[in-house]
Amino acid sequence: DADVTQTPRNRITKTGKRIMLECSQTKGHDRMYWYRQDPGLGLRLIYYSFDVKDINKGEISDGYSVSRQAQAKFSLSLESAIPNQTALYFCATSDEGSNQPQHFGDGTRLSIL
Amino acid sequence: AQKITQTQPGMFVQEKEAVTLDCTYDTSDPSYGLFWYKQPSSGEMIFLIYQGSYDQQNATEGRYSLNFQKARKSANLVISASQLGDSAMYFCAMRVGKINDYKLSFGAGTTVTVRA
Repeated sequence: DADVTQTPRNRITKTGKRIMLECSQTKGHDRMYWYRQDPGLGLRLIYYSFDVKDINKGEISDGYSVSRQAQAKFSLSLESAIPNQTALYFCATSDEGSNQPQHFGDGTRLSIL
Repeated sequence: AQKITQTQPGMFVQEKEAVTLDCTYDTSDPSYGLFWYKQPSSGEMIFLIYQGSYDQQNATEGRYSLNFQKARKSANLVISASQLGDSAMYFCAMRVGKINDYKLSFGAGTTVTVRA
């Protein structure tokens, strides 16, 4: 089983709909992150959380919200989806420490029509 | 502001040859870290190698090595003896932020295609 699991893997929805992307992890890491990937732009950080009571905005948080329900769960919501939020979304986790890599889920491909 | 630049959008390499992927960065912090990730066509992100700014030696992991030139602010990834399975997009990322607030900033990526 994957250490970082994202659901759904693919989603097509319409403009204006509320969407939730879920992430769960079995790595026991406190730190969790949400990114979006767009062609030619690499990955950009949306939100991150260093423990259950900690939520921080990333580079591109407008239009998104998150919830850290437990150490192992971190969900991303689009309250009212718009077409330019069509992207590949990644959840990642990491251990503490400056040299610790982030471990990524397999991604959620989201299309907003 | 911290920034990562990958200037090669795409590269072709012959199987069994070595390939170098360029990455330059810009930061005023003396302490930083550089990571390389591989993204195959299936989409997952795979961690390859890490280099810390204070590390005395260039990092190596199997067929992956980092050509770290601190004065030039470059951290190029070298893949030796390329295999067909190395065809993927490769991202360079830099650790940014203050202690206990580390985040990664990613470059735009380089696509590598290995030819038989």
